[in-house]
Amino acid sequence: AQSVSQHNHHVILSEAASLELGCNYSYGGTVNLFWYVQYPGQHLQLLLKYFSGDPLVKGIKGFEAEFIKSKFSFNLRKPSVQWSDTAEYFCAVNPTGGFKTIFGAGTRLFVKA
Amino acid sequence: GAGVSQSPSNKVTEKGKDVELRCDPISGHTALYWYRQSLGQGLEFLIYFQGNSAPDKSGLPSDRFSAERTGGSVSTLTIQRTQQEDSAVYLCASSRSGNSETQYFGPGTRLLVL
Repeated sequence: AQSVSQHNHHVILSEAASLELGCNYSYGGTVNLFWYVQYPGQHLQLLLKYFSGDPLVKGIKGFEAEFIKSKFSFNLRKPSVQWSDTAEYFCAVNPTGGFKTIFGAGTRLFVKA
Repeated sequence: GAGVSQSPSNKVTEKGKDVELRCDPISGHTALYWYRQSLGQGLEFLIYFQGNSAPDKSGLPSDRFSAERTGGSVSTLTIQRTQQEDSAVYLCASSRSGNSETQYFGPGTRLLVL
């Protein structure tokens, strides 16, 4: 069965620190990968996604993620976080051409001003 | 409307009662999803509708849960004989199609079963 594992449940950083949130998935076939973000009081929204091609994908607000197929990983990165990046981040995966999306448990990021 | 809407935003009910949660997807989106988010948990897939195809109900946790989608648009998630463990935020999302498109989420319905 598909599963998604996010390594950190809570992360606390100071502004300007670099961020890397881990995500590993379990699935034997080709997949589509997503990072969604939920800012306080707002809906879940897409941050970035990978379908094919360049394994390094760039999203909104300076975020990027790298798909490493051999490691079944899709880690999210940002070189310098801001206080406004405080949010909960969810990694998700579904099979290529499929519909059933499996989400990780989420990582709560708190950025200290 | 501009986005996915859900109602009610909050629902408090007594154990054993039935509840209905509503989702209005983005106009023109053929795919609709229901998820459950319990405290400290990720999003748990419940059910998926795509156009006129039979829904994928594989995520429904028990036969007390059911959902329908009328006219390919509005969807209702029904929980019968609610239990305390049903307390969670129920999220609805829609996408243009089911094939790995970006999902657009509603604000959720926060359900509390006393």
